[in-house]
Amino acid sequence: DGGITQSPKYLFRKEGQNVTLSCEQNLNHDAMYWYRQDPGQGLRLIYYSQIVNDFQKGDIAEGYSVSREKKESFPLTVTSAQKNPTAFYLCASSMGQAVISNQPQHFGDGTRLSIL
Amino acid sequence: DQQVKQNSPSLSVQEGRISILNCDYTNSMFDYFLWYKKYPAEGPTFLISISSIKDKNEDGRFTVFLNKSAKHLSLHIVPSQPGDSAVYFCAAEGNTPLVFGKGTRLSVIA
Repeated sequence: DGGITQSPKYLFRKEGQNVTLSCEQNLNHDAMYWYRQDPGQGLRLIYYSQIVNDFQKGDIAEGYSVSREKKESFPLTVTSAQKNPTAFYLCASSMGQAVISNQPQHFGDGTRLSIL
Repeated sequence: DQQVKQNSPSLSVQEGRISILNCDYTNSMFDYFLWYKKYPAEGPTFLISISSIKDKNEDGRFTVFLNKSAKHLSLHIVPSQPGDSAVYFCAAEGNTPLVFGKGTRLSVIA
């Protein structure tokens, strides 16, 4: 059964520590995305990747880093430079632009990151 | 600046009645629009979409209307059911990756 797996579901970080959130998909999608959701806010784009070994910054990339070494994997690292990392993080994937592929983005179930 | 706006943070509707959720956008380059439904602590799930070449798309109880001249779209749910209670996000795509609104929390009261 194809889908997107995010792990862990809950993650705690100490001040000054980097943490990496995992995102794996077996949908054979080319594009992958990372979003952040804060209470009362929509989903804001952190980074996206349209093809392996390539990625672009989204609207709020500062304090985050990504890699895309494999088609199915798009890990997100929240660095110590991110001053307000407490949020719900969502990973998504798609065949590409929805207007071309007529396929929407599919989302994982998210990782909630909290600061200790 | 918000390119996709959902001006109603919440909406309450009686079971069996129509729910109308609204969304406005500012970027004239958007050419594809989607609605997602989200439950707490879960990822959004896709509901329905519409291309800018259409003004209406229907899927069962869900209909999306697009008014390009007004840069406005709406989602109609008829009849509303208690299981429809969730946060609904409007999203738009064009010359940028998907841009999401802040969401509208729909409560369907039995």
